[in-house]
Amino acid sequence: QVQLQQWGAGLLKPSETLSLSCNVYGGSFSDPYWTWIRQPPGKGLEWVGEINPSGITNYNPSLKSRVTISMGTSRNQLSLKLTSVTAADTAVYYCAAGGEWYYFDYWGQGTLVTVSS
Amino acid sequence: EIVMTQSPATLSVSPGERATLSCRASQNVLNNLAWYQQKPGQAPRLLIYSASTRATGIPARFSGSGSGTEFTLSISSLQSEDFAVYYCQQYHNWPRAFGQGTKVEIK
Repeated sequence: QVQLQQWGAGLLKPSETLSLSCNVYGGSFSDPYWTWIRQPPGKGLEWVGEINPSGITNYNPSLKSRVTISMGTSRNQLSLKLTSVTAADTAVYYCAAGGEWYYFDYWGQGTLVTVSS
Repeated sequence: EIVMTQSPATLSVSPGERATLSCRASQNVLNNLAWYQQKPGQAPRLLIYSASTRATGIPARFSGSGSGTEFTLSISSLQSEDFAVYYCQQYHNWPRAFGQGTKVEIK
């Protein structure tokens, strides 16, 4: 059964760089569509960005200058970097994958990232 | 930028009853719409894609309809495990956008 496992630092100081990774276990995707979604505590879902099987990325304009999403050479590993974080970036970050298009049926467990001085 | 608006914010339903959730897009998204279910402390779960296609393993009591700007998620007979928050998301254009969510609670 395919699962996504994500990891990364959970506590950052303002101005630091958020770095998260996500791996596929129990199977593999040949041409995955990947996305990062975040959810501030007690709030709704916010799209961070995505990458398609060709490596083309799209980002939320509100984050565009600070965010980078990349895919490993096997296409079964995903990473997220968000620079110059502030308290507004505090959220649970989810990676998610889909095998056909930009809808996502495999999700990581979520990583709570807290930005605090 | 497309804005997704869900209604109602909260829906109180008795087990066994039908629930109808609405999602409106500010622009035409054709059928490029997904519905996700999220329970407390869990990741979202894909229910419906392409506006009306059930994802793998999703029970038949969940159905989606609509196209263009008006969409509906129906749950024909609510089970205890269906009480959750439901989000719609358009993937027709960038930036992708979620609705603010509808919480389905026990009446």
